[in-house]
Amino acid sequence: AQSVTQLDSQVPVFEEAPVELRCNYSSSVSVYLFWYVQYPNQGLQLLLKYLSGSTLVKGINGFEAEFNKSQTSFHLRKPSVHISDTAEYFCAVSRTGGFKTIFGAGTRLFVKA
Amino acid sequence: EAGVTQFPSHSVIEKGQTVTLRCDPISGHDNLYWYRRVMGKEIKFLLHFVKESKQDESGMPNNRFLAERTGGTYSTLKVQPAELEDSGVYFCASSQGPYSSYNEQFFGPGTRLTVL
Repeated sequence: AQSVTQLDSQVPVFEEAPVELRCNYSSSVSVYLFWYVQYPNQGLQLLLKYLSGSTLVKGINGFEAEFNKSQTSFHLRKPSVHISDTAEYFCAVSRTGGFKTIFGAGTRLFVKA
Repeated sequence: EAGVTQFPSHSVIEKGQTVTLRCDPISGHDNLYWYRRVMGKEIKFLLHFVKESKQDESGMPNNRFLAERTGGTYSTLKVQPAELEDSGVYFCASSQGPYSSYNEQFFGPGTRLTVL
């Protein structure tokens, strides 16, 4: 079975500062890794994904994440955040070739002016 | 192209009543999923349809929940009778086939269910 732990429930940060949202996962089989974002009153949107290959994955809106197999982590980073990045971010995994997605509890990012 | 749509966006019902949630996937997507997020917790998988067949219903909490997918198109999720702990946001997602490759799941906006 797989599980996902998002280490921070809330992250406040000032505009133009860098941010890192932390995610650790547990799995006995190979997995795909994802970050989703949910803006207020909207559905989940895929931010980026790791399927295989390069461990540094770039996504939309300037976000990137690094897959670290030895640490079983998939932290999300952005070098300079904007007010518009205020949202809830979900780390998720699924088995390779599988369909069910396992989500973390979410991290609320608050970007302050 | 229209995305995944869900109806209603909000539903408030009394304990013991019945509620039916509807999901319309992206046209041509064989795979349809239901997920649920109870307040402040993780989003949990409920079940997965491939066309009209239930592929995986391991996440369905109990037999008060009934999911159907008529003709492999839209899906409904019925809760009967509703209990307080059923409150939460119900998400639907869809993806294309086939089984052996990665298929991105596209999520709907969710239905917020409140049971009083």
